[in-house]
Amino acid sequence: QVQLQESGPGLVKPSQTLSLTCTVSGDSISGVSYYWSWIRQPAGKGLEWIGHTYVTGSTTYNPSLESRVTISIDPSKNQFSLKLSSVTAADTAVYYCAREVPWFDPWGQGTLVTVSS
Amino acid sequence: QPVVTQSSSASASLGSSVKLTCTLNSGHSNYAIAWHQQQPGKAPRYLMHVEGSGTYRKGSGVPDRFSGSSSGADRYLTISNLQSEDESDYYCESWDSNTRVFGGGTKLTVL
Repeated sequence: QVQLQESGPGLVKPSQTLSLTCTVSGDSISGVSYYWSWIRQPAGKGLEWIGHTYVTGSTTYNPSLESRVTISIDPSKNQFSLKLSSVTAADTAVYYCAREVPWFDPWGQGTLVTVSS
Repeated sequence: QPVVTQSSSASASLGSSVKLTCTLNSGHSNYAIAWHQQQPGKAPRYLMHVEGSGTYRKGSGVPDRFSGSSSGADRYLTISNLQSEDESDYYCESWDSNTRVFGGGTKLTVL
């Protein structure tokens, strides 16, 4: 059974960089069939796709966030990561990682990141 | 790129059926979509994907009460014999080679 688990700081100061890691268990992140994604959800609002990566290291980002986002992959650790720079209060959200099948399945449990001084 | 639109809310009585709609934008009416359920305070959960033909395939452990269908640019999620635990937000998702998109979600209230 594939499981994904997000980890990282729950509090980030404005203008700093948000960094999260997703650890995958039960499946190899090096599998050729899947992309690996980050999605976020501000409190009380809908879902927003941030971007994804593939085992080769190729990435695609949501154009609305592209200038501030970096997604990377580490097959040796079965992990992929998210960095979002120059954060503001508008980046406060629950951040999810997910496998693309191409639909999202499964999802991680999510981690709340608050941007505040 | 695909754009998907959902009604913001729906309601139905316990034990009845409800049909939620996800509509694809012009030029993308043959695209597949996926339905995800988000119970209060929980992460989304994949329910099924629905092809333009109306064929659907459910995720592991999804009850038989959930089914999918399609008509033109509309993709449907039907829940029969509504249970209290079905009260959730339901999101549709679509994709192409460059992007993934979500609808705004439908909040389902079980009366």
